[in-house]
Amino acid sequence: LAKTTQPISMDSYEGQEVNITCSHNNIATNDYITWYQQFPSQGPRFIIQGYKTKVTNEVASLFIPADRKSSTLSLPRVSLSDTAVYYCLAFNAGKSTFGDGTTLTVKP
Amino acid sequence: ETGVTQSPTHLIKTRGQQVTLRCSSQSGHNTVSWYQQALGQGPQFIFQYYREEENGRGNFPPRFSGLQFPNYSSELNVNALELDDSALYLCASSLTGVLTDTQYFGPGTRLTVL
Repeated sequence: LAKTTQPISMDSYEGQEVNITCSHNNIATNDYITWYQQFPSQGPRFIIQGYKTKVTNEVASLFIPADRKSSTLSLPRVSLSDTAVYYCLAFNAGKSTFGDGTTLTVKP
Repeated sequence: ETGVTQSPTHLIKTRGQQVTLRCSSQSGHNTVSWYQQALGQGPQFIFQYYREEENGRGNFPPRFSGLQFPNYSSELNVNALELDDSALYLCASSLTGVLTDTQYFGPGTRLTVL
């Protein structure tokens, strides 16, 4: 199972764009890069997933360079409700272990 | 909307006891994964079941075992509980278990071992 490394914490202000970078140097060919969001006392919630280049959905964008050794989650115009822990993982059909995540704190 | 439910919500056991946690997958999902999340850490993969068969296991001892039933609900059993087993136990279901299938997590069961 590929190990991922993320910053422990980040602070931002409402309305700003937030970029969280994840390192996954030993990612396997079959792994997809997946990001989850978790609020206290809740299970993780899927945000976005990608294999290569750029993926965008209604809540976030995911940038993955050609070597796939890192990825960046971009959250446009964050609000207070985006305060949560964000996990990056090398996803292989659900058989993946999460790292310790990045605690994002959005301030007014 | 996830639709994954877990029971019980909270549980307190003593060291050496056995515990069974239950998970009801989202309708139509045939794959379930179980995770252990210690306080302040990310979820750690325990094992996955696909159509009632174990389909992958993380670095957990054999006293962690599971079952998946024909209706795709599942159980996590832990024998000989240790203090370090205190954690939030999460289950997650997915539609088919293929590579890119999205996992939907339940709210978890908080287990405290005294």
